Amino acid sequence: DGGITQSPKYLFRKEGQNVTLSCEQNLNHDAMYWYRQDPGQGLRLIYYSQIVNDFQKGDIAEGYSVSREKKESFPLTVTSAQKNPTAFYLCASSRRSTDPFYGYTFGSGTRLTVV
Amino acid sequence: AQSVTQLGSHVSVSEGALVLLRCNYSSSVPPYLFWYVQYPNQGLQLLLKYTSAATLVKGINGFEAEFKKSETSFHLTKPSAHMSDAAEYFCAVSSQAGTALIFGKGTTLSVSS
Repeated sequence: DGGITQSPKYLFRKEGQNVTLSCEQNLNHDAMYWYRQDPGQGLRLIYYSQIVNDFQKGDIAEGYSVSREKKESFPLTVTSAQKNPTAFYLCASSRRSTDPFYGYTFGSGTRLTVV
Repeated sequence: AQSVTQLGSHVSVSEGALVLLRCNYSSSVPPYLFWYVQYPNQGLQLLLKYTSAATLVKGINGFEAEFKKSETSFHLTKPSAHMSDAAEYFCAVSSQAGTALIFGKGTTLSVSS
């Protein structure tokens, strides 16, 4: 079955560390997205990518970085510059970002905790 | 600019009662509107979407939503709540090609027996 796989499900980060969250899709979708979810704040867009080797900042990109070297993969790095990284991170994909009709398919999320 | 407002961060109903979750949007062009559901520690699942084909949209699990342009609303309803409906619900809007979905802050639905 096609879908989006996020790993790991739970991740613990020490102060000053960079960590990378994995997101892989086998839906042949062109566009991929990273959202951060905090209680009571809904989903906030971190980065999104419409095609390979291209990505755009979202509303809260500071302290995060991404790459899109393959169509199937869109990893998110939480850098030490992100001062409050504890949150639930959701990856999503869509057939084409230029056609909003289709909506998104979401992964099951990664819960990141600073220890 | 697009935006979504979900009225009520928490809604409580009894099993068998009507479910009404409110969503108002702001968009300068005809929008595409979505409702998603999220169960604890999981991703979001699409419930239904409005894409201008019909103003009353039926989704999965007995949910439906009505697009009202004059009220800029897209409220989610279900005639009879079930315990399994307890979850968080998100309304989202998209109207500009090449941009990402904008989500509301979510409404947590509790269902009591």
